[in-house]
This record gives sequence, C-alpha cells and structure tokens, in this order.
Amino acid sequence: AQSVTQPDIHITVSEGASLELRCNYSYGATPYLFWYVQSPGQGLQLLLKYFSGDTLVQGIKGFEAEFKRSQSSFNLRKPSVHWSDAAEYFCAVAMDNYGQNFVFGPGTRLSVLP
Amino acid sequence: DAGVTQSPTHLIKTRGQQVTLRCSPKSGHDTVSWYQQALGQGPQFIFQYYEEEERQRGNFPDRFSGHQFPNYSSELNVNALLLGDSALYLCASTLGSPGWTEAFFGQGTRLTVV
Repeated sequence: AQSVTQPDIHITVSEGASLELRCNYSYGATPYLFWYVQSPGQGLQLLLKYFSGDTLVQGIKGFEAEFKRSQSSFNLRKPSVHWSDAAEYFCAVAMDNYGQNFVFGPGTRLSVLP
Repeated sequence: DAGVTQSPTHLIKTRGQQVTLRCSPKSGHDTVSWYQQALGQGPQFIFQYYEEEERQRGNFPDRFSGHQFPNYSSELNVNALLLGDSALYLCASTLGSPGWTEAFFGQGTRLTVV
C-alpha cells in the first residue's frame, strides 16, 4: 500500500530565507506525486505534480520539487520565502491510475518570521 | 466560475446521530471525492463517485456512505456518529475521463461530534 511521510511537523524560517520541506513515499511502481498547500480556512491548492520525465518540476508561487527515485523522496523547495507562504503543506501520492485520489502525508506547518 | 462549494461550513452533532454533508463540484467536473481530515493530520480518502456510482473506496466503515446526483453534486452520509468522526470533511472534484485533470478542493465542512 502507498504511504507518505513528512518528517518535519513544523518548520520556522525567516522571510527571504530558503526553504526545503521533506517528503518520502512508499510505492511499488512509478508514483504520481503531488504537493498541496492549505491555508487557514481554505481548501487544498495544488502547487506542483510529478508524473514522469524531468525529475525537477516547477510549480506555482515559485516552488519547485525534485523526484529522487533512489531515495524515494520528493522534496519541495523555494529559494526565498514570503510571509504569505505560511501555511500547511502536504505531500501526496496518487492511489489510482488517474492521479485523482490521494494518500496524503501528515503535513508540515510552515511559519515565517518577519 | 464557482469552485467547489460545500455546505454547511460547520455543524455540531451528538454521538449516535446521523449527518449529511453536501458538495457541488466545480463547473464542468463530473467526479467527486470525499476526504476526512482529523485535527493535525493529512486528509484521508473516503470514496469517489463517478457517473452516480462509487468508483473507489478507502478504508472507512459502512457507516460512511455517499450519493451522487445527475447534476454531479454529491452527499456524504455518516450514520451512528462517534466522537472520532469529528474532523474537517473535504470534497474534491475533477473530470473522470481518461487523462489527468487537476482535482480542486472545497473549503470543507467542520463536523464536531459531542
């Protein structure tokens, strides 16, 4: 069965600093991988996805993620964090061939210091 | 263009009661999935409806049931409520046709069981 772990429950960074959120997955075949962000009172918003091809994928809001099969990882990065990036971030792996239903990780809460 | 809308936004129920949550998908979408997000955790997949039938189901008891209407809107029903059913219930919509289509999430219904 698929599973996703996010080792960091809470991360605090200063505005303008770089960010890396870790994600590890367990899946037998080539996974469909996603990063979602959830702001307070908001639904989940897709940041980026990986299906195949180039292992470095670009997303919205200046985020990128790198798929590393050998490490079963799909870490999210941003070179310079903005105060508006404070939110909960979820890594997910698709549980179907359509890439529409997901197994989510427990999430990482990001706080941004001014 | 209205996104995914869920109602109600909050509700409080007593243990043992039954509850119905509602979801209207994004315009043009025909597939609805439901997730349960307990406090401090990632969303967990409950089930997905396509063409008015349950297409995929997660590891949830039969107390959780659903329905999809001809206009693609959906209901989630939970019978014999337990305190542990307290959570944020998220609805996501997408297109069920072949090929990937981004899933859009609603803001959720916060259910409290007392």
